[in-house]
Amino acid sequence: GAGVSQSPSNKVTEKGKDVELRCDPISGHTALYWYRQSLGQGLEFLIYFQGNSAPDKSGLPSDRFSAERTGGSVSTLTIQRTQQEDSAVYLCASSSGMTDTQYFGPGTRLTVL
Amino acid sequence: GENVEQHPSTLSVQEGDSAVIKCTYSDSASNYFPWYKQELGKRPQLIIDIRSNVGEKKDQRIAVTLNKTAKHFSLHITETQPEDSAVYFCAASRGTYKYIFGTGTRLKVLA
Repeated sequence: GAGVSQSPSNKVTEKGKDVELRCDPISGHTALYWYRQSLGQGLEFLIYFQGNSAPDKSGLPSDRFSAERTGGSVSTLTIQRTQQEDSAVYLCASSSGMTDTQYFGPGTRLTVL
Repeated sequence: GENVEQHPSTLSVQEGDSAVIKCTYSDSASNYFPWYKQELGKRPQLIIDIRSNVGEKKDQRIAVTLNKTAKHFSLHITETQPEDSAVYFCAASRGTYKYIFGTGTRLKVLA
């Protein structure tokens, strides 16, 4: 079946602008995760949604970052007033909530000029 | 805080040789340890995982070992091939929760 999808695949924006990144998890997956991968670096946890529970926002680096998950499916990560240090690949993953395995999307490469 | 250390950061091996990547975790409540392979410009792909009730797991040329007492786990790739060249990430988690990733190992298999 279809895997995790993300859009856009690439986003170039100017410093100070807001951006929205979208994630479509695998159908039926109740858990959704956002990670950030800076150039040549590992994956940094940002936020976690599980069903109808309050999200775990402990990884968000600043209050400029926020995320929503509507209807328990699609998620949007919003970065307000983007800064150059926000440039990275933003990866979304989902899991069934019954097993531990997370399946990753292709990522959105964000470049802030 | 929670942390996963991964070594080495780069590893070059001759084709046919074995490669070993080691990770150490800090959260003693971690009970799930996946390994991901990421090729350039691609998404991370799960290659093998192990749970805390098992000491070793093997899948063809790939194996993972876990030492809960020492809080470390390792990835072993035997008979390496050029297509094994990629960045490998280890991670630790408490089940269906966030992953804490290692910093990655860039493996180069030399033909």
